[in-house]
Amino acid sequence: QVQLVQSGAEVKKPGASVKVSCKASGYTFTSYYMHWVRQAPGQGLEWMGIINPSGGSTSYAQKFQGRVTMTRDTSTSTVYMELSSLRSEDTAVYYCARLTTTGGYGMDVWGQGTTVTVSS
Amino acid sequence: DIVMTQTPLSLSVTPGQPASISCKSSQSLLHSDGKTYLYWYLQKPGQPPQLLIYEVSNRFSGVPDRFSGSGSGTDFTLKISRVEAEDVGVYYCMQSIQLPPTFGQGTKVEIK
Repeated sequence: QVQLVQSGAEVKKPGASVKVSCKASGYTFTSYYMHWVRQAPGQGLEWMGIINPSGGSTSYAQKFQGRVTMTRDTSTSTVYMELSSLRSEDTAVYYCARLTTTGGYGMDVWGQGTTVTVSS
Repeated sequence: DIVMTQTPLSLSVTPGQPASISCKSSQSLLHSDGKTYLYWYLQKPGQPPQLLIYEVSNRFSGVPDRFSGSGSGTDFTLKISRVEAEDVGVYYCMQSIQLPPTFGQGTKVEIK
């Protein structure tokens, strides 16, 4: 079955960077774009960007331009999201989510989430 | 960016009774390909969101038929015909017609 398994929780100091991984299985990795979405404590869902695992092209939300980098490793079917210059407002659960096949930019399967805590 | 507005923001429902959530978009979600890109997700406590409905009215694999979606253009509705205890959580609508995908604020559904 389709599965997205993310890396474990992280605690970082302000100004540091964090790199979250998302390992895909159960489907052809390079055939589906991957989104990254985050959710601050008690808040709603915020889209961060999307990566094409085939060619590596990316599109980022304007809010994160210059601070976020999304990459992939096709040999391990893993996508990565790195966020730099962390501040307390970046404390959130970060999700990867697969792009649907039906058209548009929807998400069908989600990872379990990775909690990132930014604290001095 | 397209703004998605949900009402109500919270809902308390007696088991077995129906429930309805409204979602409005600031722009039409009808694409030139003829599809309307409106999705519904349910986020149960402590879990990631799960896809319920795609393209307004199509139930995702495994979603019970008590969930239904309707609407067109900028106005959409999610209906639960008979709410069950397992339906508690926060429901989000999302537009996927253009980047960035944007979500409604969420509607918290609880059981009376």
